[in-house]
Formats: sequence, structure tokens, C-alpha cells
Amino acid sequence: SQTIHQWPATLVQPVGSPLSLECTVEGTSNPNLYWYRQAAGRGLQLLFYSVGIGQISSEVPQNLSASRPQDRQFILSSKKLLLSDSGFYLCAWSRGTRTGGYYNEQFFGPGTRLTVL
Amino acid sequence: RKEVEQDPGPFNVPEGATVAFNCTYSNSASQSFFWYRQDCRKEPKLLMSVYSSGNEDGRFTAQLNRASQYISLLIRDSKLSDSATYLCVVNIKGSNYQLIWGAGTKLIIKP
Repeated sequence: SQTIHQWPATLVQPVGSPLSLECTVEGTSNPNLYWYRQAAGRGLQLLFYSVGIGQISSEVPQNLSASRPQDRQFILSSKKLLLSDSGFYLCAWSRGTRTGGYYNEQFFGPGTRLTVL
Repeated sequence: RKEVEQDPGPFNVPEGATVAFNCTYSNSASQSFFWYRQDCRKEPKLLMSVYSSGNEDGRFTAQLNRASQYISLLIRDSKLSDSATYLCVVNIKGSNYQLIWGAGTKLIIKP
């Protein structure tokens, strides 16, 4: 079965500090990978998605970036955090396009709760 | 108009009651539809994928009306453990990646 890991679970960072959140998936290969952010009491906002190693698409312009150095590893980074970067960051995976279809359910990791002070 | 709209909630219902959630979507080309549940401060978890006109899984029934661009979720014989936020999610045709998420409807089941 597939498992998705995220760490850390919680993080408190000062404004202007760097950020690195990591996500790894087990039990599948060539997954699509996603980073979402959920602000308190709000819906999910897609930040980045990736269909393969080194392939990153950005949905929202911001001071965040993403990288996919390995097939099942997805990293979210920032050089300088802003107060507005606070939120619940969720990594998700879905079956890759070669095996997927319209029913492309996404499965989430446990998330990282980031507070920028 | 929001791309995916849900009842704002919260819904406060007694244990054992039947609860119905409604969701409308704006893109008529949407191809697949999901319901997720999200417990407080946890990640969303897939509850049901909605196929063609609808499907049932135990106490849960999802319906899809493409003509009206409307999706519903029915929970029968509600349990205390059903308390959560229910998220309506729509996939955009032509994209295997982009899911549009509703803001969710919070459900509180009372004993």
C-alpha cells in the first residue's frame, strides 16, 4: 500500500528565515505530487504540482519554490518567510498520467502547520 | 461566482439523523467529482469518488446531476464520528492535476 510522509509536523519560524518542508511517498512509482496550503478556516490552495523528476508547475506567484530531486520526493522551500506564509501545508500524491484517468483521486500526507512570527 | 460552492454551515444535527450536503460547480466541462472529509487540524481524506450519476457506500450516498452542475452527499443514520468538515472537489477536464476545492461544510453531530 502507498504511504505519504511529511515533516516536520509543526514549525514556528521568524519572518525572513528560510523554509524547507519535505514530502516522500512510498509504495508507488511515477506519482504526481502536489503542494497545497490551507489558511485557517479556508479551502485548499494549490501551490505547486509535479508530474516527474525536475518538472514543477507553479499555480500561485509567491516567495515559495518547489523541487523534485527524486521520483518520490517533493520539497517546498522559501528563502525568506513572510507573515502571510503561515498556514497548513499539505503534500499530496495521485497516480501518474500513464496509469491515471479522470478519476485522479489525491491522497494527502499529515501536513505541516507553519507559524511565521 | 466561485468555481465550487458549498453550503456554508455549520450543520448541527442529532445523532441518527440524515444529513444532506449540496455542492455546485461552475465548469460544465468538469469530468470527475469527489467528496473528502477533513477532521479538525488534520489532512483531508477521500470519502467517495462520484461516478456517473452517483454511487453508494454504506451510509453514504453521492449524487451527480451534470445538467444542473450539482453534486450532493447524503449521510444516513449519522454517527458522532461523522463530525468533520466535508469538502466537495471537482476535477477540470483536460487536467489530470488540477482539483478545485470547495471551502467545505462543517458537520457537528450531537448525542
